[in-house]
Amino acid sequence: NAGVMQNPRHLVRRRGQEARLRCSPMKGHSHVYWYRQLPEEGLKFMVYLQKENIIDESGMPKERFSAEFPKEGPSILRIQQVVRGDSAAYFCASQYQETQYFGPGTRLLVL
Amino acid sequence: KQEVTQIPAALSVPEGENLVLNCSFTDSAIYNLQWFRQDPGKGLTSLLLIQSSQREQTSGRLNASLDKSSGRSTLYIAASQPGDSATYLCAVSHNTDKLIFGTGTRLQVFP
Repeated sequence: NAGVMQNPRHLVRRRGQEARLRCSPMKGHSHVYWYRQLPEEGLKFMVYLQKENIIDESGMPKERFSAEFPKEGPSILRIQQVVRGDSAAYFCASQYQETQYFGPGTRLLVL
Repeated sequence: KQEVTQIPAALSVPEGENLVLNCSFTDSAIYNLQWFRQDPGKGLTSLLLIQSSQREQTSGRLNASLDKSSGRSTLYIAASQPGDSATYLCAVSHNTDKLIFGTGTRLQVFP
């Protein structure tokens, strides 16, 4: 059983471009969480999704950020019109019972 | 609002020492507490999960304790090794969903 997969592992964007981050949960897991880790800070919750539903998006900025987890395919975190402050590591986790399993993260650098 | 604090922020010890990492949280109404390890540029690896009704969990050289009423947890690492060098994160949840992380303790074990 492969672990949680994220791609790309590294992403460079210029200010104003769009960033799309993908997360494939472990097989059989239908819950996905996204967290953001800013430089020298801890991980902060962004959004919690189940298949085709957003359960909790209380940690996600109201503008420019969106997330989805379609019936088929990976979960997508989309950042529109990126700014330098979006530079961070973005981790997703999938959950089975009470344990969250984390992917390796996508490191986004905005120039 | 739940806040999770970890001390010390950094720790450097010689190989073989036993050490204790501390985690405190402001809201004692937690569902569980989890300790993770994060290696540079990598994702998170779950080390131990303690349910709110439990006092401790052990895995190999690691022992985590939980004092829910006082809002504290400790991670004890016995006979530390250079391979233990990493950042250790604790995280709490209030139900079976999002994790609230501390800022971590960066551990270096030198030969």
